Amino acid sequence: SQKIEQNSEALNIQEGKTATLTCNYTNYSPAYLQWYRQDPGRGPVFLLLIRENEKEKRKERLKVTFDTTLKQSLFHITASQPADSATYLCAPSNSGYALNFGKGTSLLVTP
Amino acid sequence: GAVVSQHPSWVICKSGTSVKIECRSLDFQATTMFWYRQFPKQSLMLMATSNEGSKATYEQGVEKDKFLINHASLTLSTLTVTSAHPEDSSFYICSARDMVHLASSYEQYFGPGTRLTVT
Repeated sequence: SQKIEQNSEALNIQEGKTATLTCNYTNYSPAYLQWYRQDPGRGPVFLLLIRENEKEKRKERLKVTFDTTLKQSLFHITASQPADSATYLCAPSNSGYALNFGKGTSLLVTP
Repeated sequence: GAVVSQHPSWVICKSGTSVKIECRSLDFQATTMFWYRQFPKQSLMLMATSNEGSKATYEQGVEKDKFLINHASLTLSTLTVTSAHPEDSSFYICSARDMVHLASSYEQYFGPGTRLTVT
């Protein structure tokens, strides 16, 4: 069955450093992969989408890579800030319709 | 950007009663909306896909007679939890896709969620 795995442990980093979050998937051949941010008690907010033919995508301090051979996506936040503290969800997908999410990785950026 | 609202944001109900949750796309038309459920520290789990003007498609293990979905217009979908029990207590989140503006059609816009507590 399809599986999506994200760092299960919470990630604690110091302000200013780069946070790197991992998303691995199995039994899947997604055409694209999305990353979302979720704050406690809130719905997810879309951050970035990367397609299978793209190796890397950037948006301001965010960078996403997509390796279809390794079946892995890496999500980087550079110059991290306490306001970046949240849970980050990845969603590999094919149909463009419903999304299947990983459990998410909790990021805590301390001053 | 596209906005999706949900109402109510939280609700407490007694076991055996029914609760209706509304999901609205405020500035775009959504032919398809999705309903998810999220338990504490768990992933969002897709419950059903709601299509305007037709029956919803439910995921395996989700009882369609318990979770009634109606998508009567291009901007409104409702989820009714019938005969709610404490195990139905969860965070219910809807989402929608903007199929008109195709450049952003892969993005899903999520509502703020509804916290349901069944006592």
